[in-house]
Amino acid sequence: AQSVTQPDIHITVSEGASLELRCNYSYGATPYLFWYVQSPGQGLQLLLKYFSGDTLVQGIKGFEAEFKRSQSSFNLRKPSVHWSDAAEYFCAVGARGSTLGRLYFGRGTQLTVWP
Amino acid sequence: DAGVTQSPTHLIKTRGQQVTLRCSPKSGHDTVSWYQQALGQGPQFIFQYYEEEERQRGNFPDRFSGHQFPNYSSELNVNALLLGDSALYLCASTGLATTGELFFGEGSRLTVL
Repeated sequence: AQSVTQPDIHITVSEGASLELRCNYSYGATPYLFWYVQSPGQGLQLLLKYFSGDTLVQGIKGFEAEFKRSQSSFNLRKPSVHWSDAAEYFCAVGARGSTLGRLYFGRGTQLTVWP
Repeated sequence: DAGVTQSPTHLIKTRGQQVTLRCSPKSGHDTVSWYQQALGQGPQFIFQYYEEEERQRGNFPDRFSGHQFPNYSSELNVNALLLGDSALYLCASTGLATTGELFFGEGSRLTVL
């Protein structure tokens, strides 16, 4: 069965500190992987995506993520967090083929940033 | 370039009523997917429309139905509303000729009393 696990429901970091949000997935086919960010009352904004090729992908707002097939992980990182990064972050997995466009989301990680 | 637009942004209904939510996809996109996001949860896939047909469906009852129009816009209809249908309903569009990256609207917040 397809699933995404985000083990950390809530993370608090100080502004300027580094950040890593964890994501593990279970998917039968070759996955497409995504990280989305959601501010309160807003829709989802794509941070970055992995389809194939280089396993370290760069996204917007200084975020990056590394795909590790052996660990079924796609962790999100940022070297220095800004107060404006406070939001909810969702990892999602999908696939090509007949199910293209259908994503399975984790339950999200809420990020709080201390000044 | 307008992104994905949804209407209404907020609405309140009572149990047993019916609701229709609307979505206009991003320019150039021909495929629309609908997701339900309950409070404190990640979005869950409801269904996807392409060429005015339902192409894929998630694990939602038949009370949830949809439609896609020739201009690619879409509607989500929910009949016989239950309290548990209270959620943020997100529309996402993509072009199937691409790699399936979804672009989301800001959602319609439905409250069922």
